[in-house]
Amino acid sequence: AQSVAQPEDQVNVAEGNPLTVKCTYSVSGNPYLFWYVQYPNRGLQFLLKYITGDNLVKGSYGFEAEFNKSQTSFHLKKPSALVSDSALYFCAVRDMWDSSASKIIFGSGTRLSIRP
Amino acid sequence: DTGVSQNPRHKITKRGQNVTFRCDPISEHNRLYWYRQTLGQGPEFLTYFQNEAQLEKSRLLSDRFSAERPKGSFSTLEIQRTEQGDSAMYLCASSLGTLAGARTDTQYFGPGTRLTVL
Repeated sequence: AQSVAQPEDQVNVAEGNPLTVKCTYSVSGNPYLFWYVQYPNRGLQFLLKYITGDNLVKGSYGFEAEFNKSQTSFHLKKPSALVSDSALYFCAVRDMWDSSASKIIFGSGTRLSIRP
Repeated sequence: DTGVSQNPRHKITKRGQNVTFRCDPISEHNRLYWYRQTLGQGPEFLTYFQNEAQLEKSRLLSDRFSAERPKGSFSTLEIQRTEQGDSAMYLCASSLGTLAGARTDTQYFGPGTRLTVL
């Protein structure tokens, strides 16, 4: 069965510093990986996804993520954090061999807090 | 605004009452999904439509829950005989189906309907 783990409930970073939000996954086949962000009382906003190809994926708002197959990780990164990046971040995975065509599994989320 | 919309945004009801939520997907999207999100957790998949056909249902979707997408456009999610455990945020998402199948397309989420069962 597929699963995704976000080992940190909260990440605190000073504005202007680089940030990393960690995600590891487990699937039986090849993974499709996604990052979403959620602001208070809002739905999830799509940031980026990895399907195939280049392991470094660039997304919205200056975020990027690196797919590492050997470490089964898909960490979200940004070179210089902004206070407005403070939000809840979710990693998600689909297994390309899963018979459920639509099933997407979300992690429990990581709250990112950027201090001025 | 051409994103996914959901109504109502908030619903407070008494235990045992029925509630219905509506989702309007992005207009050209043929796939529609319902998720439930409780505090401190990521969204959990409930059900999925391709056009008007309901193709998948999670075991989380008890017989008190029913979803429809009668004309392949908007969808409704009804909860009958609500219980306090139904209190959650109900999220709708839509996507444009691709030849690669449903696994690679990007789901776009609405703002959600927050249900409180007293």
